[in-house]
Amino acid sequence: KAGVTQTPRYLIKTRGQQVTLSCSPISGHRSVSWYQQTPGQGLQFLFEYFSETQRNKGNFPGRFSGRQFSNSRSEMNVSTLELGDSALYLCASSLLGGPGRKEAFFGQGTRLTVV
Amino acid sequence: AQSVTQLDSQVPVFEEAPVELRCNYSSSVSVYLFWYVQYPNQGLQLLLKYLSGSTLVESINGFEAEFNKSQTSFHLRKPSVHISDTAEYFCAVSDVNAGGTSYGKLTFGQGTILTVHP
Repeated sequence: KAGVTQTPRYLIKTRGQQVTLSCSPISGHRSVSWYQQTPGQGLQFLFEYFSETQRNKGNFPGRFSGRQFSNSRSEMNVSTLELGDSALYLCASSLLGGPGRKEAFFGQGTRLTVV
Repeated sequence: AQSVTQLDSQVPVFEEAPVELRCNYSSSVSVYLFWYVQYPNQGLQLLLKYLSGSTLVESINGFEAEFNKSQTSFHLRKPSVHISDTAEYFCAVSDVNAGGTSYGKLTFGQGTILTVHP
């Protein structure tokens, strides 16, 4: 069974640009969450989508947005990039919504560098 | 609001020595608890989880953690570490509603870097 796939693995962007990151969850998983990991702030929750609806949102500015498609694939967009947006962005998928396995499975991440 | 505190940012140990990585959490509701491990330039891998039942949970590679509700702790232990255990370890919690459903948000601790020396 394929794991969580994030593309691209590495990305370099210039300040002011926008970027879109992609996440394909494990087959059958309907919940996709996004996290930002930086040395200073650690792992911080961005948002969660379940069946194409944003169900949870972290404390990030509106420049960070996301969406989920009918096949559960998710994209995350950051507009007007700032140097501080440089981070490892992790996507996680899980079954949720009922009994059974509750844990989140993470992708390898997308390393975004803003210059 | 939830919070997770990992009391040690770095833990150096020698190979074959025992180790304990400490984790305390704060939450006003029931929680699920997890330990994840991260190797350099990799994503997070689930090490073990506590959902309900026995408070002592074990992983396939010799780690164990014990849920202590009164002390709101979920410390990770291994009786004998290997060089390959060198990594960063994260404790995480997820809120659970009355029906036993968790939400898609994990709150993580700041991480503990475990370094195993030969």
